[in-house]
Amino acid sequence: AQTIHQWPVAEIKAVGSPLSLGCTIKGKSSPNLYWYWQATGGTLQQLFYSITVGQVESVVQLNLSASRPKDDQFILSTEKLLLSHSGFYLCAWSRTGGGNYAEQFFGPGTRLTVL
Amino acid sequence: AQKVIQVWSTASRQEGEELTLDCSYETSQVLYHLFWYKHLLSGEMVFLIRQMSSSTAKERSGRYSVVFQKSLKSISLVISALQPDDSGKYFCALWEPGTQVVGQLTFGSGTRLQVYA
Repeated sequence: AQTIHQWPVAEIKAVGSPLSLGCTIKGKSSPNLYWYWQATGGTLQQLFYSITVGQVESVVQLNLSASRPKDDQFILSTEKLLLSHSGFYLCAWSRTGGGNYAEQFFGPGTRLTVL
Repeated sequence: AQKVIQVWSTASRQEGEELTLDCSYETSQVLYHLFWYKHLLSGEMVFLIRQMSSSTAKERSGRYSVVFQKSLKSISLVISALQPDDSGKYFCALWEPGTQVVGQLTFGSGTRLQVYA
């Protein structure tokens, strides 16, 4: 069975400080990986996706970056946090191929508060 | 313009009742998928059920079923025999093949459900 972990569970950071959020998928090789952001009370917005190691595509520009250093790892980061970065960050995975493999499965999320 | 619309932001029911959550969407694609997810208070996003645009079958998974009206671009989630644990926020999502290699998953704004014992 596939499992998806995110770390940390929650983070409180100061404006202007750096951030690194992590996501690991176990039990699935070469998944598509995604980062989503949800502002408080808002809907989910896709930020990045990756179909293979070292390849990341940006969907929405929020002064964040993402990297995929390993097949099972997806990292979201920024060198300088903004207040607007506060919210809930979800990592997701899907099988490769699209179409019948469109379901995305989500991790438990990281709650980020920027003060 | 919003692609996925969930008109009701909140809903409440008594335990044992049935609830229908509505969702409408916009797409120019012939083939697409629709999903319902439940967002738990813990933050976890749980996949509930999927409807493929090409399918005429009435999708069902346990107490969850969907009413898919393709011509109206509408999909409703029906939850039967509601339990307090069904409380949470329900999101409708549309997956379309598109410019992205992996397609694009677009979420509605969600409906928060409270089930009273």
